[in-house]
Amino acid sequence: DSGVTQTPKHLITATGQRVTLRCSPRSGDLSVYWYQQSLDQGLQFLIQYYNGEERAKGNILERFSAQQFPDLHSELNLSSLELGDSALYFCASSVEGGAWNNSPLHFGNGTRLTVT
Amino acid sequence: DQQVKQNSPSLSVQEGRISILNCDYTNSMFDYFLWYKKYPAEGPTFLISISSIKDKNEDGRFTVFLNKSAKHLSLHIVPSQPGDSAVYFCAASANDMRFGAGTRLTVKP
Repeated sequence: DSGVTQTPKHLITATGQRVTLRCSPRSGDLSVYWYQQSLDQGLQFLIQYYNGEERAKGNILERFSAQQFPDLHSELNLSSLELGDSALYFCASSVEGGAWNNSPLHFGNGTRLTVT
Repeated sequence: DQQVKQNSPSLSVQEGRISILNCDYTNSMFDYFLWYKKYPAEGPTFLISISSIKDKNEDGRFTVFLNKSAKHLSLHIVPSQPGDSAVYFCAASANDMRFGAGTRLTVKP
């Protein structure tokens, strides 16, 4: 058990809809990261938050947004959903915010999003 | 923009033999490299890492080798066990952490 909690585990929705994925980081971790894994693809970095502030941005679409709240949990909002957004979305956390080289990421078990 | 590449989607080895998983990267700014292991229906879990100032790091049956001039790293598992069967992701960090596409390792009894 990594200590990172993601909800829901599964989500099925229709094209054009909006969904919110939730992540609670490991106790004591200040950074939260979001990754997308499409079928047979690697983990694509979306965005990182550290202590409530956006720290780094990857290949995140404009239709997607995220935030980290004062209690450090994070939400990833996906809107105007398309079939190609179907994927596993992982949240990870670490203690550090910028010192990546000292902080392996701890991953949740992911949210599987299916857009029909 | 695939900065971290794992060119072998799958690898099959016999129990007790060595498993060698390979990873190449393109960004010379990467200064820390990690391997993660992923079982079905679970998130990736950290396995082993290496700083760019080293060329080898060993932890039990797992050894990671880094060749900076070739921008290549590898993970050696000796001896391989059936429980090692999983998807292995290579990752590299600079300002953020980038992952390869993964290699599915199957260890046959």
